[in-house]
Amino acid sequence: NAGVTQTPKFQVLKTGQSMTLQCAQDMNHNSMYWYRQDPGMGLRLIYYSASEGTTDKGEVPNGYNVSRLNKREFSLRLESAAPSQTSVYFCASSAPGRLQETQYFGPGTRLLVL
Amino acid sequence: GENVEQHPSTLSVQEGDSAVIKCTYSDSASNYFPWYKQELGKGPQLIIDIRSNVGEKKDQRIAVTLNKTAKHFSLHITETQPEDSAVYFCAAYDFSGTYKYIFGTGTRLKVLA
Repeated sequence: NAGVTQTPKFQVLKTGQSMTLQCAQDMNHNSMYWYRQDPGMGLRLIYYSASEGTTDKGEVPNGYNVSRLNKREFSLRLESAAPSQTSVYFCASSAPGRLQETQYFGPGTRLLVL
Repeated sequence: GENVEQHPSTLSVQEGDSAVIKCTYSDSASNYFPWYKQELGKGPQLIIDIRSNVGEKKDQRIAVTLNKTAKHFSLHITETQPEDSAVYFCAAYDFSGTYKYIFGTGTRLKVLA
């Protein structure tokens, strides 16, 4: 049981390049999330997927797209990377029900855009 | 929407002393409040949580208190140890049916040996 896994761990991009961050969970969770973490700003929600087949914008969605490929996988795509997207990206999953459930986080992807 | 404020942003304590981190939230409908610990280079991990029908919860050296009337909740760590050094985040569950957590901005705790 690996929990939440993310690839790659680290990536350097040039401005204008594109890339996809991958996330997978093996806990049979319905909901998945993408956050970015910047110094002094905590965790900000980019996009989330409450269940397979649905995605919704979070607090900072501009410049990103997501795909909920199946129940296990939720990818984040940067179509044209900008230096402002330099950050640490975390994927999380949860199994919300009548009682709110814990979010489990992956180890993160560190992205540097030059 | 929900807004969560967390204080202090940094906290240094001597080993063995207690540490307290405080958060306030704005949406009275929020009813679930987790605390996460993030060690350097790792993702956040849940350390304790509390639901709105409970005023206090303890787990060994860690406790969380909730004051619904004042809309604030606090993390208490007693007998601090060097391995408690990390960044701690509070969060509130945005109970609007969208399954979104709103996180505080984090507290960097340093336990001095």
